[in-house]
Amino acid sequence: AAGVIQSPRHLIKEKRETATLKCYPIPRHDTVYWYQQGPGQDPQFLISFYEKMQSDKGSIPDRFSAQQFSDYHSELNMSSLELGDSALYFCASSLRAGGRNSPLHFGNGTRLTVT
Amino acid sequence: GQSLEQPSEVTAVEGAIVQINCTYQTSGFYGLSWYQQHDGGAPTFLSYNALDGLEETGRFSSFLSRSDSYGYLLLQELQMKDSASYFCAVPGAGGFKTIFGAGTRLFVKA
Repeated sequence: AAGVIQSPRHLIKEKRETATLKCYPIPRHDTVYWYQQGPGQDPQFLISFYEKMQSDKGSIPDRFSAQQFSDYHSELNMSSLELGDSALYFCASSLRAGGRNSPLHFGNGTRLTVT
Repeated sequence: GQSLEQPSEVTAVEGAIVQINCTYQTSGFYGLSWYQQHDGGAPTFLSYNALDGLEETGRFSSFLSRSDSYGYLLLQELQMKDSASYFCAVPGAGGFKTIFGAGTRLFVKA
């Protein structure tokens, strides 16, 4: 079965640079989520999109922005990178019709290292 | 808002049974989910309870008591591969996000 695809798997950037993370959700899933996970921490919700519209926003810095495109893929854009942005970034997708507790299907994540 | 509490670590031996507890405080309750995450891997959905009682899925079971704002994940016949972090989770207000607990790291010893 098709899974959530994220790219790149690893990314190394310097402080103040920009980064773009991509996510391709499971086909026919209508909701995409972005999470940030630091070492030993739980996934922290950043932002979500339902049918290409922003549906909720969490603790996402103003330096970050995201969007979902007509083909349902999503991109997380991160500017003015800081050392503290080093983390695993996960994208997940779900089918809204399954209700609030529709399982989230996570991609393998992008490990961002800011030096 | 939502908050979830679970133990930070649990250790058990292979073949044993372990229970991971989760207590929650939510402004509205729409169910409790459990996810497993191996080191360096992605969280994987395990189970979900919307109503009180026990849900069984193979070696894993999940229990919910809404009156106590409490649930647990029960892992039976533990295997080394069960060593991972386990997160309880609830939908956020509006239903377009999932809030995770801090996670319980399970160590399975031989």
